[in-house]
Amino acid sequence: NAGVTQTPKFRILKIGQSMTLQCAQDMNHNYMYWYRQDPGMGLKLIYYSVGAGITDKGEVPNGYNVSRSTTEDFPLRLELAAPSQTSVYFCASSFLPAGANTGELFFGEGSRLTVL
Amino acid sequence: RKEVEQDPGPFNVPEGATVAFNCTYSNSASQSFFWYRQDCRKEPKLLMSVYSSGNEDGRFTAQLNRASQYISLLIRDSKLSDSATYLCVVEKRGDYKLSFGAGTTVTVRA
Repeated sequence: NAGVTQTPKFRILKIGQSMTLQCAQDMNHNYMYWYRQDPGMGLKLIYYSVGAGITDKGEVPNGYNVSRSTTEDFPLRLELAAPSQTSVYFCASSFLPAGANTGELFFGEGSRLTVL
Repeated sequence: RKEVEQDPGPFNVPEGATVAFNCTYSNSASQSFFWYRQDCRKEPKLLMSVYSSGNEDGRFTAQLNRASQYISLLIRDSKLSDSATYLCVVEKRGDYKLSFGAGTTVTVRA
């Protein structure tokens, strides 16, 4: 079972470049999320989606964009990369809303991004 | 005040020992609580949900104290494979978002 697949696993960007982190899930989950994890900090929600065609901002959306054209895919776009976007990015999906008490987030393996 | 606070540790314990640690949360309206496990340079994975009455899953016991707004995790008979960072996760009442603690690192030594 593939679960949640993220690509690329590693990437180095120069300041001002743009890129897209890909995320795909094969569990038919409606709910998908993008988080970033910085050293010593909890995961922060960047964007989330409750279904195809519906996206919304999380806690730290500035500098990012998302789209959700299909149930399976939820790409994250970084525009004009800045050193502050150096982080580990996790895509996740869930069958129930993240806060449901029987809910479970399934995470991808992460994408390590460095902006120099 | 952070929404979820955890002692970062590390907790260094010998195999077979019991280790316990807490997590405090600030939103008294939160209804759902979880412990996730994250191995070094890996993705988080759900360890267990935390229910009001407390719950056990094998060697792991989770407790919720609503009055004092903390949850706890106890690991009995620690194994080397229990070495990981344990993330406390709390639901933000009324929306789809979760608050993640920064994690408590546990290292079990032979």
